[in-house]
Amino acid sequence: GAVVSQHPSWVICKSGTSVKIECRSLDFQATTMFWYRQFPKQSLMLMATSNEGSKATYEQGVEKDKFLINHASLTLSTLTVTSAHPEDSSFYICSATRTSWGDEQFFGPGTRLTVL
Amino acid sequence: SQQGEEDPQALSIQEGENATMNCSYKTSINNLQWYRQNSGRGLVHLILIRSNEREKHSGRLRVTLDTSKKSSSLLITASRAADTASYFCATDETSGSRLTFGEGTQLTVNP
Repeated sequence: GAVVSQHPSWVICKSGTSVKIECRSLDFQATTMFWYRQFPKQSLMLMATSNEGSKATYEQGVEKDKFLINHASLTLSTLTVTSAHPEDSSFYICSATRTSWGDEQFFGPGTRLTVL
Repeated sequence: SQQGEEDPQALSIQEGENATMNCSYKTSINNLQWYRQNSGRGLVHLILIRSNEREKHSGRLRVTLDTSKKSSSLLITASRAADTASYFCATDETSGSRLTFGEGTQLTVNP
């Protein structure tokens, strides 16, 4: 149990377009989901914390109007990169907590975004 | 901001040898977790150690935590080529499970 999926696994888009990435908890309800960004050979940087039914909490330096997060249900959160630019190219990873079970975050497989 | 610092940044060993990675952090924590990441893939949770625990084992993994020194170590015994990956520590500072990741150690196990 505790599987998290992401879709798509990779995406290539043109500069100026918007891209939506989905994060789903497949076999549990996730009250909280997290979105991370990872540049090559670097660590994960938390972008935002998303709670079902409420607005996401963004980390300092992350533009909320550029990275739109929606957590409409207990099994789905979406990250939309609006007006993407080449510098947004990165590996985006989501995670989810099954809060009733404790502290562990379950991570999705990641989405590789390349903006041309 | 990243509070975890890991050393070494890169480690190359031969199969069968033990690999030790260290992680230091700055603030008080609820727990510390270790993750593994193969190149271009998602994270795999390895082990969680709580702030009131000093040592934990899981198979070939041994994790220690010294809260007085704000440091942790991950030992992989009898390493295998398949252990080649990046290893990250992550600290949970609050009850909301918000994780802060270290910079990671790239482990290469040569067959």
